[in-house]
Amino acid sequence: KQEVTQIPAALSVPEGENLVLNCSFTDSAIYNLQWFRQDPGKGLTSLLLIQSSQREQTSGRLNASLDKSSGRSTLYIAASQPGDSATYLCAYYSGAGSYQLTFGKGTKLSVIP
Amino acid sequence: EPEVTQTPSHQVTQMGQEVILRCVPISNHLYFYWYRQILGQKVEFLVSFYNNEISEKSEIFDDQFSVERPDGSNFTLKIRSTKLEDSAMYFCASSEEGRTEQYFGPGTRLTVT
Repeated sequence: KQEVTQIPAALSVPEGENLVLNCSFTDSAIYNLQWFRQDPGKGLTSLLLIQSSQREQTSGRLNASLDKSSGRSTLYIAASQPGDSATYLCAYYSGAGSYQLTFGKGTKLSVIP
Repeated sequence: EPEVTQTPSHQVTQMGQEVILRCVPISNHLYFYWYRQILGQKVEFLVSFYNNEISEKSEIFDDQFSVERPDGSNFTLKIRSTKLEDSAMYFCASSEEGRTEQYFGPGTRLTVT
């Protein structure tokens, strides 16, 4: 069974700090990978999709990278703000023709003013 | 900006009862999905739907579950006879094409008593 691991499970940083969230996966045939944020009791908001042919993707203060050979993706958040406080989830499509996203458990980020 | 909507936001039902969860995907999207998240656990894939048929389903999606696109806009998940362990947040998602960026709705919290 393919697994997605997100470390750390929780992270607390002061406002303004740059930070990196990690996602590792065991599936060597990973296709696209997507990062989401989830606010408490809410749905998932898509942040970035990295396609299988890409190594990174940027949106505003967010930058996500994908290294399929090492089984890792990182989400870099620049100049963190209290509004960034949420749980960040990574999820991927397997390359085996699957249409389902396989999720990690997430990293809960708290940005302290 | 187009978004996925879900109704109701919260449904309470008694064990053994049938429930129908409703979703309106983004209008030009062709692929539809249901996921669930039990409190404190990972988001789990249930089923994907394309061209009026199921394209993929997980082990969770047994005979008690069914999906339907009754008209051009709605996408429903039916649980025929609910069990206590069906209590979870159920998310609907849609994507323009297969294995591309998925957009999630706000979820329906199902509580089975």
